[in-house]
Amino acid sequence: AQSVSQHNHHVILSEAASLELGCNYSYGGTVNLFWYVQYPGQHLQLLLKYFSGDPLVKGIKGFEAEFIKSKFSFNLRKPSVQWSDTAEYFCAVNGRGGSYIPTFGRGTSLIVHP
Amino acid sequence: EAGVAQSPRYKIIEKRQSVAFWCNPISGHATLYWYQQILGQGPKLLIQFQNNGVVDDSQLPKDRFSAERLKGVDSTLKIQPAKLEDSAVYLCASSSSSSGENTGELFFGEGSRLTVL
Repeated sequence: AQSVSQHNHHVILSEAASLELGCNYSYGGTVNLFWYVQYPGQHLQLLLKYFSGDPLVKGIKGFEAEFIKSKFSFNLRKPSVQWSDTAEYFCAVNGRGGSYIPTFGRGTSLIVHP
Repeated sequence: EAGVAQSPRYKIIEKRQSVAFWCNPISGHATLYWYQQILGQGPKLLIQFQNNGVVDDSQLPKDRFSAERLKGVDSTLKIQPAKLEDSAVYLCASSSSSSGENTGELFFGEGSRLTVL
């Protein structure tokens, strides 16, 4: 079985601060990794994804994430947050090679003060 | 490209009543998922369809929940009878399967918020 752990449940930052949200997963095989975002009043949407290749992936709105295989981690980063980044962020994993069940972490609520 | 459509957006019922949610995935997407998202938690998979067959329903409370995807397109999730703890947002998502592998990249609908009183 696969599982996802997000360490920060609530994060409050001021604009221009740097952001890093932790995500660790457990799965015995190869995985596809995702970060989804849910802005207030909107549906969940993809922020970025990692399938293979360069472990540093870039997504929309200046977000990036780094896959560290040895640590089973896929942390999300942004050098300078904006008020419009206020949202819920969910890390998700999809095991490959037989298990195609996308599993989500519990999410991190990010509030950015102007 | 039209997104994933869900209805109704909101539903309030009393416990022991029944409710049904409908989902129409993105055209051509073979895989359809129903997730339950309780306030403060991440989405939890209830059932996954590949075309009109069930791939995984291990976390579906089958004594009260049922789902079907006739003809491999739209899907209905039913709860009967509802309990207080079923209050949640029910999310429908779809994904395509390129080269025979489902990557797990999901496209979500707006969700159906259920309140059970």
